[in-house]
Formats: sequence, C-alpha cells, structure tokens
Amino acid sequence: QVHLEESGPRLVRPSETLSLTCDVSGGSLSIYYWSWIRQPPGKGLEWIGYIYSSGSTKYNPSLKSRVIISEDTSKNQFSMRLNSATAADTAVYYCARFLGSCSGGQCHYYFDYWGQGTLVTVSS
Amino acid sequence: DIQMTQSPSTLSASVGDRVTITCRASENINGYLNWYQQKPGKAPKLLIHTISNLQSGVPSRFSGSGSGTDFTLTISSLQPEDFATYYCQQSFTTLTFGQGTRLDIK
Repeated sequence: QVHLEESGPRLVRPSETLSLTCDVSGGSLSIYYWSWIRQPPGKGLEWIGYIYSSGSTKYNPSLKSRVIISEDTSKNQFSMRLNSATAADTAVYYCARFLGSCSGGQCHYYFDYWGQGTLVTVSS
Repeated sequence: DIQMTQSPSTLSASVGDRVTITCRASENINGYLNWYQQKPGKAPKLLIHTISNLQSGVPSRFSGSGSGTDFTLTISSLQPEDFATYYCQQSFTTLTFGQGTRLDIK
C-alpha cells in the first residue's frame, strides 16, 4: 500500500518561495511518476508538474517559469518549490503518484494514490 | 491546453437514482480520460481510468464510457456515500481537469 504525506510551511509571505515535501512509503521514487496538484479553496484541481525517471520533470506551462520539482531518493521524498508566491497560490497542495497502464504500445496515466493535502496560505 | 467541460455543474438526486455526468474535451483526447471523486476536506479518489476501467475497490455501480471528445460517468443506483464532487481529467497532453460536478442530496 502506497502512502504519501505532504509537509512544509503553512504560511508563506508574498514574493517568497512556497516549498513542500512529499514523503513516500510503499513505492519507489525511481520506478514511478510523482506529481503535485493544487486546489484553491472552493475551486477545482490544477496540475502543477511531475518528476520521473530519476529526475526528469514536466511542468504545467502556466507555472513552468516559477516551479521546480526535485527528489531525494535516499529519503524516498520529492519536493516542490514555487517562487514569487502571490495570494493566487493559496491552495491545498496534494502530492500524488501518477501511474501508467500500458497496453498495445499505449500508456495511459492517472493519479492513483494521493496525500491528504496541506493548505498553504500566501499572506503578509 | 485542452479544456475539459463538465455538465451539469451541480446535480441534485436521491438515493437509488441513476445519474450521469458528462465531460467534454475541447479536442480529441484519444481515450486518455479518468474520473475522480472528492468528498469535502479529503483528497480526490480515483474511480475510473482510461474511459471505463474501474479502479480496484470501486463499486460496480460506477461506470464510464465515451470516445473522442465526449465521455460520461454513470452511477447506476446512488448510495448515501456517493454524494460528493466528481472530476474528469485528461492525460493526453498537458494534464487538465474538468471544473467538477457537485452531486447533492435532493
């Protein structure tokens, strides 16, 4: 059974960097894809990016200039840094496993395990 | 980005009802379509992947169908625990979610 848990500061000042870590148990970082997703209060879900294949990354173009996702395989953790935070970045941030199911040369991907989420508020 | 539009945005139904939620993509997503259920204060839960594949442990009253740009999630007989918000999500290109459909008790 895979378990993910987010940690990091709950309050970030405007213009500073929002940093979160996801602790993973029950699944190897190097085998799967691992992702960050966020949800502003009362709103829908937005994909931030993912990391895979020992350090390769892909980001949502809308956030690409401000976000970095990295991993620490020795701790089985991956992290996200979002710089120049504004009030619009206030959200519940989730980490999740992005699993691929392959058949006939096609691989379909979906989020099968999620952390419980952590609310990060950007405010002075 | 591919836009995902769900309808309706809110749906009121009763226990035992059959309900259908629709998700329309702004272009063909070649079957790269997943459905999630989210309850208040909880993380989303995967229900169905790749149009119609039921995730392990999900009750068989949930089903998915569709192709091209149009997809549906059907709950054959609503149970009390099904009242939640449902999201579709495409993984064909830059990952995007629908805006959600809130399923309320009538």
